[in-house]
Amino acid sequence: KNEVEQSPQNLTAQEGEFITINCSYSVGISALHWLQQHPGGGIVSLFMLSSGKKKHGRLIATINIQEKHSSLHITASHPRDSAVYICAVGSARQLTFGSGTQLTVLP
Amino acid sequence: GAGVSQSPSNKVTEKGKDVELRCDPISGHTALYWYRQSLGQGLEFLIYFQGNSAPDKSGLPSDRFSAERTGGSVSTLTIQRTQQEDSAVYLCASSLDRSNEQYFGPGTRLTVT
Repeated sequence: KNEVEQSPQNLTAQEGEFITINCSYSVGISALHWLQQHPGGGIVSLFMLSSGKKKHGRLIATINIQEKHSSLHITASHPRDSAVYICAVGSARQLTFGSGTQLTVLP
Repeated sequence: GAGVSQSPSNKVTEKGKDVELRCDPISGHTALYWYRQSLGQGLEFLIYFQGNSAPDKSGLPSDRFSAERTGGSVSTLTIQRTQQEDSAVYLCASSLDRSNEQYFGPGTRLTVT
């Protein structure tokens, strides 16, 4: 069993839909990261959180430490949100990555 | 300001040759990380630097892999006697310190023929 499990692996949505990507982990962590990898390969850090909830624009990330679970939500999705979303959990020294969720938002 | 830069962006090498990959972190960032993404695979951690020291080398796949960081800035990842399974995108990231978010470079695509 992988230490970080993401679901779904692939997700296709219509523009405007509310999207949720889930991440479960089995190890103790100091922080959880949500990353976005664009089709060209570049990686952008979206959130780093260790408790509660964070919001940037249309993106919301939540974490439940007791349940070892995090969700990434995208409100009012847009085709430019199409990317791979990666959950990573970490100690202070390294990150362990989920396999990613390929999101495609259709116009 | 300038982000994390990596060079070269692409490298094709013959099996058995040595390669050096370079990472220039964001100025002032004390923590630096190397990751690898093989084709169709997820990201995997290779090594972490705090300043010039590497307290965690646990991700290096074999003794053919080594890395150093000088002056608390530039880092090089060296792969000796490259093998075809070393083909991957090698990503570098830096952060202000180990408890802050990481900023990723564009990666070096290594192809071993």
